[in-house]
Amino acid sequence: AQSVAQPEDQVNVAEGNPLTVKCTYSVSGNPYLFWYVQYPNRGLQFLLKYITGDNLVKGSYGFEAEFNKSQTSFHLKKPSALVSDSALYFCAVREGNQGGKLIFGQGTELSVKP
Amino acid sequence: NAGVTQTPKFQVLKTGQSMTLQCAQDMNHNSMYWYRQDPGMGLRLIYYSASEGTTDKGEVPNGYNVSRLNKREFSLRLESAAPSQTSVYFCASSLGTIQTNQPQHFGDGTRLSIL
Repeated sequence: AQSVAQPEDQVNVAEGNPLTVKCTYSVSGNPYLFWYVQYPNRGLQFLLKYITGDNLVKGSYGFEAEFNKSQTSFHLKKPSALVSDSALYFCAVREGNQGGKLIFGQGTELSVKP
Repeated sequence: NAGVTQTPKFQVLKTGQSMTLQCAQDMNHNSMYWYRQDPGMGLRLIYYSASEGTTDKGEVPNGYNVSRLNKREFSLRLESAAPSQTSVYFCASSLGTIQTNQPQHFGDGTRLSIL
């Protein structure tokens, strides 16, 4: 069965520093990977996705993610964090040959301090 | 542009009461979804509708029913609410089916508390 794990419940970063939010996955077929962000009292917003091709995917608000097949990871990164990046981040995976439903990780709370 | 609109935003029910959560999208999307969000558990799919007239069970369908009223609207019904159904419920939509990997667009949620 497919699964996705976000090993850190919370990540704390100083403004201007690089940030990484970690995600690992488990699927038996080709993985399709997504990152979403949730601000307080709002729904999720799509950031980026990996389907195929270049392992480095660029998305909204300056975020990028690196797909690593050997480590089964899809970590979210940003070179310089902003206070406004503080939010809850979700990684999700869809297994290509298993009906297609998205499985979400439990979420990582990112806190960026001035 | 409204996107995905959910009503109500908040609701408190007593155990055993019934309720319908409403969702409408104005993006002419084909697929619609209902999720629940619980602390530490991410989002879990309750039901989805790949197109008007079709619905399918997701990961946690027990205790819920859905209706795809038309292309715009997808409602979620709790026939006999239980405290375990206290959660934040999100409706989402996407242009294509899940298999097309198109992003899902989410409403702002309904916060449901069952006493």
